[in-house]
Amino acid sequence: DADVTQTPRNRITKTGKRIMLECSQTKGHDRMYWYRQDPGLGLRLIYYSFDVKDINKGEISDGYSVSRQAQAKFSLSLESAIPNQTALYFCAVRGPNTGELFFGEGSRLTVL
Amino acid sequence: GQQVMQIPQYQHVQEGEDFTTYCNSSTTLSNIQWYKQRPGGHPVFLIQLVKSGEVKKQKRLTFQFGEAKKNSSLHITATQTTDVGTYFCGVDFGNEKLTFGTGTRLTIIP
Repeated sequence: DADVTQTPRNRITKTGKRIMLECSQTKGHDRMYWYRQDPGLGLRLIYYSFDVKDINKGEISDGYSVSRQAQAKFSLSLESAIPNQTALYFCAVRGPNTGELFFGEGSRLTVL
Repeated sequence: GQQVMQIPQYQHVQEGEDFTTYCNSSTTLSNIQWYKQRPGGHPVFLIQLVKSGEVKKQKRLTFQFGEAKKNSSLHITATQTTDVGTYFCGVDFGNEKLTFGTGTRLTIIP
């Protein structure tokens, strides 16, 4: 089983709909991140969290919100999806010793 | 704001040729990480560099961290088809906010 699990893996939705992308981890680490990937733009940080009470904005947080329900769960929401939010979204967990990021498989979102 | 520049954006090489990607920052970095993303996959951690002037090797891959801790490079010797993918550097400016370069996409011509 994967250490970092994202659901759904693929989603097509319409403009104005509310969407939630979920991330769960079994690694037991505190630091979790949400990134967005677009061709030619690399990985851009949306939000990150150090624990359930510590949530921080990244580079491109506008139009997004997050919830850290537990150490193992970090959800990303689009309250009213728009077409330019069409992208590949990655959740990642940061290890405490080496600091490496463990990425989920990604959630591909298409907003029509 | 704090950001890191990565070049080139694309690199096409003949199989067996060498490949290098560079990351540059205008500010001093606490550390730098390198990741590889295969086509259709997710980024996978390769290595972290922490010390000024550090050089680390993993088989055909050589990673360097500049003396001023503002730049880094990843060099692949004698590329193989398994090296295909996008290579990203990730930097921590000291606030746990991991920022990535735009990536270098490597394609191999057999």
